Amino acid sequence: AQKVTQAQTEISVVEKEDVTLDCVYETRDTTYYLFWYKQPPSGELVFLIRRNSFDEQNEISGRYSWNFQKSTSSFNFTITASQVVDSAVYFCALSEGRDDKIIFGKGTRLHILP
Amino acid sequence: DGGITQSPKYLFRKEGQNVTLSCEQNLNHDAMYWYRQDPGQGLRLIYYSQIVNDFQKGDIAEGYSVSREKKESFPLTVTSAQKNPTAFYLCASSIVGGGTYNEQFFGPGTRLTVL
Repeated sequence: AQKVTQAQTEISVVEKEDVTLDCVYETRDTTYYLFWYKQPPSGELVFLIRRNSFDEQNEISGRYSWNFQKSTSSFNFTITASQVVDSAVYFCALSEGRDDKIIFGKGTRLHILP
Repeated sequence: DGGITQSPKYLFRKEGQNVTLSCEQNLNHDAMYWYRQDPGQGLRLIYYSQIVNDFQKGDIAEGYSVSREKKESFPLTVTSAQKNPTAFYLCASSIVGGGTYNEQFFGPGTRLTVL
């Protein structure tokens, strides 16, 4: 069975603070893919990153970074020097790649306060 | 510009009526998906299609129907059998195959309210 857990329902931080969004997943497969999506108030989901299970290298893209640790089944997302425009709901997702389906976590609503 | 369009953005329906949500993509993607999102919930898969004239039920298909007559289009009908249809509906598409799993691209969504 697949499962994605985002334990943080809602987070509020003051602008310029760093914030980490947690994601823990469960899968029995050795080959799988992990994703992060951003959903701003407009509603459309925006793809941020995809990671396959064989690549544990951390990734940095500007103020965004991702920490993938297979030993703890986690794929955490950190925003450095947060900005008000980062306010959104962030979803972590998992696919085992067999049938082009992905399972989404329930999301973390992030508020960046000015 | 390539992308996914959904119409209308807001839709109101009387209880007992069927309603069809439109989803069109010009990304030349083979796979298309419909998700339902409720407040505080993640996305739940309703139906998906990997090729024209073929589709599969997702986790919550009851009360919904789809068709895939063209590669570009994947309309969703919310029938009167759907007991709680008020929700935000998102359509997505993706490339299929290549030995990997590809990310899905999403449309702007349709917010359906049953009166």
